[in-house]
Amino acid sequence: EIVLTQSPGTLSLSPGERATLSCRASQSVSSSYLAWYQQKPGQAPRLLIYGASSRATGIPDRFSGSGSGTDFTLTISRLEPEDFAVYYCQQYGSSPDSFGQGTKLEIK
Amino acid sequence: EVQLVESGGVVVQPGGSLRLSCAASGFTFDDYAMHWVRQAPGKGLEWVSLISWDGGSTYYADSVKGRFTISRDNSKNSLYLQMNSLRAEDTALYYCAKAALIAARSYFDYWGQGTLVTVSS
Repeated sequence: EIVLTQSPGTLSLSPGERATLSCRASQSVSSSYLAWYQQKPGQAPRLLIYGASSRATGIPDRFSGSGSGTDFTLTISRLEPEDFAVYYCQQYGSSPDSFGQGTKLEIK
Repeated sequence: EVQLVESGGVVVQPGGSLRLSCAASGFTFDDYAMHWVRQAPGKGLEWVSLISWDGGSTYYADSVKGRFTISRDNSKNSLYLQMNSLRAEDTALYYCAKAALIAARSYFDYWGQGTLVTVSS
């Protein structure tokens, strides 16, 4: 099973700042089959990024994904108030699917 | 509009059984694999189970293998999770999620709002 480790656990930033979230895999993720989800309190996760770098439908272009192999990054270029949430990475290249433990993005 | 609506979550005693359901609409249900993902209170996401579009292939997390059974009824656009021998650590919000791709490996493009299962005496 591929273990995903996200860092930092909590990121404290202000609106307008740039956020960089990391997801590291215990082994290479096949074909960059890595996705990012956003989850706000009381809501289901929402797909942001798939295939490591493709934005899902309706996702603003301030969200971008990058990386390959074992190291992946989600970048939010200029934080908006609605971006403060928990973010999860998921690998779907190898069975079983697995999620990272999440990064909480909080307002500083 | 794609909708996934879970139901069946209740309080159940350790060792008990429960069947969750997920009613799907807004897409061609039998084109896509479906998943169950759970989230313990205050914790992260844990993938639980996957069923192929036709029900012919199923996969489980080690933590539930031998106790949970995933199934689907394409004539009713419904997904199910039969949960037996429940343990306290199975307490969680259970989401059904739709595979985004028809391919074997896929991310999830739609999620339901979840149904809460509490295992407690």
